[in-house]
Amino acid sequence: NAGVMQNPRHLVRRRGQEARLRCSPMKGHSHVYWYRQLPEEGLKFMVYLQKENIIDESGMPKERFSAEFPKEGPSILRIQQVVRGDSAAYFCASSSPGTLAYEQYFGPGTRLTVT
Amino acid sequence: SQKIEQNSEALNIQEGKTATLTCNYTNYSPAYLQWYRQDPGRGPVFLLLIRENEKEKRKERLKVTFDTTLKQSLFHITASQPADSATYLCALDSGGSARQLTFGSGTQLTVLP
Repeated sequence: NAGVMQNPRHLVRRRGQEARLRCSPMKGHSHVYWYRQLPEEGLKFMVYLQKENIIDESGMPKERFSAEFPKEGPSILRIQQVVRGDSAAYFCASSSPGTLAYEQYFGPGTRLTVT
Repeated sequence: SQKIEQNSEALNIQEGKTATLTCNYTNYSPAYLQWYRQDPGRGPVFLLLIRENEKEKRKERLKVTFDTTLKQSLFHITASQPADSATYLCALDSGGSARQLTFGSGTQLTVLP
């Protein structure tokens, strides 16, 4: 059973470009979460999605950031017009839809560098 | 505001000893608490979950306690090994439909051979 997959693992963008980060959850998981880890800081929640629905985006910056989890295909975290402060590791996690299954399984992360 | 503190940024112990890591929280009423392990350059790995009505949970050499009165969780690794060296993260969830995790900043554990 493959784990959570993220790609690309490393992404370099110039200021002003767009970054697209992809996440495929574990088989059977329909809940996806995105977290950001800034250098020397802890993991911060960004958004929680289920198929075709954004459940909680309270951690998302108001501008330039968006996320989706379509019926088919991976979840996408999109950052428009990137700035140097967006440089960070972005982790995706997934969990089972079971009502008592709260543990989350993380992918290897995408390390975004904005030059 | 809600706050999670993991008391030591770094902890060094001798191989074979028991490592004890602390997680304290304020202004929070978590339904459950989780511990994760993170190695450099990798994503966190789930270790244990303990619910608000549980006092203690064990898994092999790992033990977690949860005191909702003290608002504290202790994470123990017995018979520690150099391979246990990593950063350990405490995470809280308010339960229900929220599901988002709030993480502490982590404790970097080094087990010396």
